Amino acid sequence: DAGVTQSPTHLIKTRGQQVTLRCSPKSGHDTVSWYQQALGQGPQFIFQYYEEEERQRGNFPDRFSGHQFPNYSSELNVNALLLGDSALYLCASSLGRLNTEAFFGQGTRLTVV
Amino acid sequence: GQSLEQPSEVTAVEGAIVQINCTYQTSGFYGLSWYQQHDGGAPTFLSYNGLDGLEETGRFSSFLSRSDSYGYLLLQELQMKDSASYFCSRGTARQLTFGSGTQLTVLP
Repeated sequence: DAGVTQSPTHLIKTRGQQVTLRCSPKSGHDTVSWYQQALGQGPQFIFQYYEEEERQRGNFPDRFSGHQFPNYSSELNVNALLLGDSALYLCASSLGRLNTEAFFGQGTRLTVV
Repeated sequence: GQSLEQPSEVTAVEGAIVQINCTYQTSGFYGLSWYQQHDGGAPTFLSYNGLDGLEETGRFSSFLSRSDSYGYLLLQELQMKDSASYFCSRGTARQLTFGSGTQLTVLP
């Protein structure tokens, strides 16, 4: 079992550009959640996808959008990048509505210059 | 609110015992989880407390008191590899709210 995989591992973008990050969940998991982690802070919940729909959303602007595919993999898109979007973006997968253990990927380190 | 408070840094020596505390606001509380994250790595699940009391997993134990809105993670027989950030979090695996993390440094 490969666990949760994310790509790319590192990315450098210019202000105003758009970026797409990808996540493959752990085998058998049906829910993907995305988090943003600034340096020295805890992960902040962006949104969660289940059955190809966004189910819950954190306090993030509409510039952040996502998608889940029939194979449960997911993408996170960020438009009109700002310097403040520089962070580690983490994907987590889980199974079931009340499960308490999330499995995280290694993350994508996004730097906006 | 759903915020969680934990100390920013803790230092201990190899072989010692360390306790990392976490307090939370009670609104919509479901349970308390703990995650470990080494520098730049993936957070990994350590434990979950849904009910009051102590949960033990090897060298790690976690405690919850709902009446006090308080929990802690206890690490015993500290090893150098335990140097990492530790996060308390609340919610289900689908949507977690994390504290700002406690950086644990284990000294030889």
